[in-house]
Amino acid sequence: KAGVTQTPRYLIKTRGQQVTLSCSPISGHRSVSWYQQTPGQGLQFLFEYFSETQRNKGNFPGRFSGRQFSNSRSEMNVSTLELGDSALYLCASRPGQGASGELFFGEGSRLTVL
Amino acid sequence: GQNIDQPTEMTATEGAIVQINCTYQTSGFNGLFWYQQHAGEAPTFLSYNVLDGLEEKGRFSSFLSRSKGYSYLLLKELQMKDSASYLCAVKDSGYSTLTFGKGTMLLVSP
Repeated sequence: KAGVTQTPRYLIKTRGQQVTLSCSPISGHRSVSWYQQTPGQGLQFLFEYFSETQRNKGNFPGRFSGRQFSNSRSEMNVSTLELGDSALYLCASRPGQGASGELFFGEGSRLTVL
Repeated sequence: GQNIDQPTEMTATEGAIVQINCTYQTSGFNGLFWYQQHAGEAPTFLSYNVLDGLEEKGRFSSFLSRSKGYSYLLLKELQMKDSASYLCAVKDSGYSTLTFGKGTMLLVSP
């Protein structure tokens, strides 16, 4: 069974640009969560999508947005990039929102903003 | 709000035992997770506790005390490959996702 796949793995952008990251969850998983990981703050929750609807949202500005498609694939977008947006963006999937809630993580997309 | 605390760094020797503590203050509680993350890799699931007590899985064990808002991960017979970051995470309700602590970097030396 294929794991969670994230693309691109690495990217470099400049301030003011926008970026779109993609995540394909494990087959059959309907919930996709996004996290930002930085050395100082650790893993911070961005948002979670389930059946194409945003179900939970973290404390990030409106520049951070996402969506989920009918095949459960998800994208997140960051507009007007700032230097502080440099981070590893991790996507995680789980079968549904109930049960134990164990998350299965992808390798992440490492974004560098110059 | 949510607050999850764990030590930033720990060091230990190969073959030894190490205990990584985690304390949490959350609005609700529906389970505590431990994840392992090697440098440059994705976090991988280690253990899950929802009831008080000890859960053992090979060389790794995890303990939970809900009344104290406290958990620990116990690693026995340490190996060099155990050098990694260990993340404590809490699920605060039945349908919520996980809130993570900042992680504990464990360095195992020969």
